[in-house]
Amino acid sequence: ETGVTQTPRHLVMGMTNKKSLKCEQHLGHNAMYWYKQSAKKPLELMFVYNFKEQTENNSVPSRFSPECPNSSHLFLHLHTLQPEDSALYLCASSQAQGSETQYFGPGTRLLVL
Amino acid sequence: GDSVTQMEGPVTLSEEAFLTINCTYTATGYPSLFWYVQYPGEGLQLLLKATKADDKGSNKGFEATYRKETTSFHLEKGSVQVSDSAVYFCAPEGRNAGNMLTFGGGTRLMVKP
Repeated sequence: ETGVTQTPRHLVMGMTNKKSLKCEQHLGHNAMYWYKQSAKKPLELMFVYNFKEQTENNSVPSRFSPECPNSSHLFLHLHTLQPEDSALYLCASSQAQGSETQYFGPGTRLLVL
Repeated sequence: GDSVTQMEGPVTLSEEAFLTINCTYTATGYPSLFWYVQYPGEGLQLLLKATKADDKGSNKGFEATYRKETTSFHLEKGSVQVSDSAVYFCAPEGRNAGNMLTFGGGTRLMVKP
């Protein structure tokens, strides 16, 4: 148990659906991250929030929309996804952006049909 | 930009065998270096780290030494166990904007009884 929880753990959605992934950290951290882990690519950083402000967007398509209402919660809103978006989406947190250790949640396994 | 090269897996070993997973990196300056581990069905966890040249990080019988001259941070364990079966990620902390981690592609380790 790392102190970072993600829901749902598994999600199947059609290309026309809208869904949201949720991440919550109980560590008092101020930075939160979304990563994409797919079978044939290295772990990809998608977004970074530091003190609720988005500081990094690694050229992520607009069909992925992050939201960080407070330092403990991070959402990833999904709409009109493509099958190639199927992957494990990992959330992480750290004391602040650039802090040495990131703590990861278990991930949401997403399948887009 | 920063980059990481890890040996490709899977690496299959028998229990009590010696393990080496190679990692080399390119980065600006002298980044902190990390190994993360991902057990089946879980997110990534920090395994060990080293913050300056010649430092040795160690945890759970694993070791890695920060080699500035060869820009390497190879992971070693003298006697692996079945429970060590996981995916291992090498990650230097980039001195680029935000000091973000750059993850290698991961090396899957399978240990057989």
